[in-house]
Amino acid sequence: EPEVTQTPSHQVTQMGQEVILRCVPISNHLYFYWYRQILGQKVEFLVSFYNNEISEKSEIFDDQFSVERPDGSNFTLKIRSTKLEDSAMYFCASSVIAGRRTDTQYFGPGTRLTVL
Amino acid sequence: AQSVSQHNHHVILSEAASLELGCNYSYGGTVNLFWYVQYPGQHLQLLLKYFSGDPLVKGIKGFEAEFIKSKFSFNLRKPSVQWSDTAEYFCAVRSGSARQLTFGSGTQLTVLP
Repeated sequence: EPEVTQTPSHQVTQMGQEVILRCVPISNHLYFYWYRQILGQKVEFLVSFYNNEISEKSEIFDDQFSVERPDGSNFTLKIRSTKLEDSAMYFCASSVIAGRRTDTQYFGPGTRLTVL
Repeated sequence: AQSVSQHNHHVILSEAASLELGCNYSYGGTVNLFWYVQYPGQHLQLLLKYFSGDPLVKGIKGFEAEFIKSKFSFNLRKPSVQWSDTAEYFCAVRSGSARQLTFGSGTQLTVLP
């Protein structure tokens, strides 16, 4: 069964550094998402992406965040200048473009980001 | 804004016991409802989903959930749990025209052998 994959599984960085989290969505999926889960808190939506542009974004997704589909397979989340509070598990998800009523999101294993 | 509540944070059961995990949401319009499971060390996997039609939906591994619109609820059930059901269970809701999912806080289920 096709799966969403994410790399790296764990990223440690210094505060103020840039990080790029990578995702390979399921191959025939066209809608992509990023979520995050701070330890002990709920999974929170960050952004959705379709047709090479952001479709929806949350209040969390401020100017320090950006997303990109650099090629036909990867989907990336960049954090320009990491803060301590960015430490979290980041999940990528994808779904087939379909009517909203039948859209199911499939999740990757997550990247644990630790900001020191 | 949509909110999702899972009132049970940690549930401990013995094998063969019946399970019911609660999920309530706040949005009064059209919703799509999901239960995801996360086994230790693994990614979120879809257990079941409700879009429309029969409010009783069946998912994988013997799980089912019932959508009760009047109660804004989508509770997860399994008649007889197994040790391998030990995992964290997340309820998620998509509301209105949005594509984003709103998650509950999760319920950690521990099944004792």
